[in-house]
Amino acid sequence: EVQLVESGGGLVQPGGSLRLSCVASGFTFSNHWMSWVRQAPGKGLEWVANIKEDGSEEYYVDPVKGRFTVYRDNAKDSLYLQMHSLRADDTAVYYCAREMMRGDYSEYFQDWGQGTLVTVSS
Amino acid sequence: EIVLTQSPGTLSLSPGERATLSCRASQSISSNYLVWYQQKPGQAPRLLIYGASSRATGIPDRFSGSGSGTDFTLTISRLEPEDFAVYYCQHYKTFGQGTKVEIK
Repeated sequence: EVQLVESGGGLVQPGGSLRLSCVASGFTFSNHWMSWVRQAPGKGLEWVANIKEDGSEEYYVDPVKGRFTVYRDNAKDSLYLQMHSLRADDTAVYYCAREMMRGDYSEYFQDWGQGTLVTVSS
Repeated sequence: EIVLTQSPGTLSLSPGERATLSCRASQSISSNYLVWYQQKPGQAPRLLIYGASSRATGIPDRFSGSGSGTDFTLTISRLEPEDFAVYYCQHYKTFGQGTKVEIK
């Protein structure tokens, strides 16, 4: 059974930093692109970042570029999201998701974790 | 950048009724990359349909997807109590804003 378990969320002040983690099991982690997707309270889904199987490529949505870094440790079957300069509009549940690719393009998100809530507030 | 517009925003139906949800793209897209998810309160999204019309593993056949070009549809043939939820379409990294299917 595929499992994705996020952790690391919490309350942080504006301008602060936080690191999210996602531990994967039930599939060969190193064979898959992985993504972070977030959902602000009462809002829709927003893709945040993704990273290639070997960590050699990473991509970000514009609002987080230069502030967030996605990385992975395939030896630990783990995905991370380092977040700096957090703002109130970063408040959301952050999900990690296993990404299925068709050629060079993201096809869909096959599996999702339960999410971890990040609240940015003073 | 392609924008996905879902309609209606909310669909009020009774169990047993047919639900028809629309996802319209701002420009023509490959149906290979049109996806539907279901999300219930407090839960993560769940993959329903990929490639516009292929059901994901374990998804009941009352769920079906269709469409091409700019217009795509998710149909739930007969609503079960567990189907009342929010549904999102997705293309590449872009999501629609969602359609809530609520009990009438």
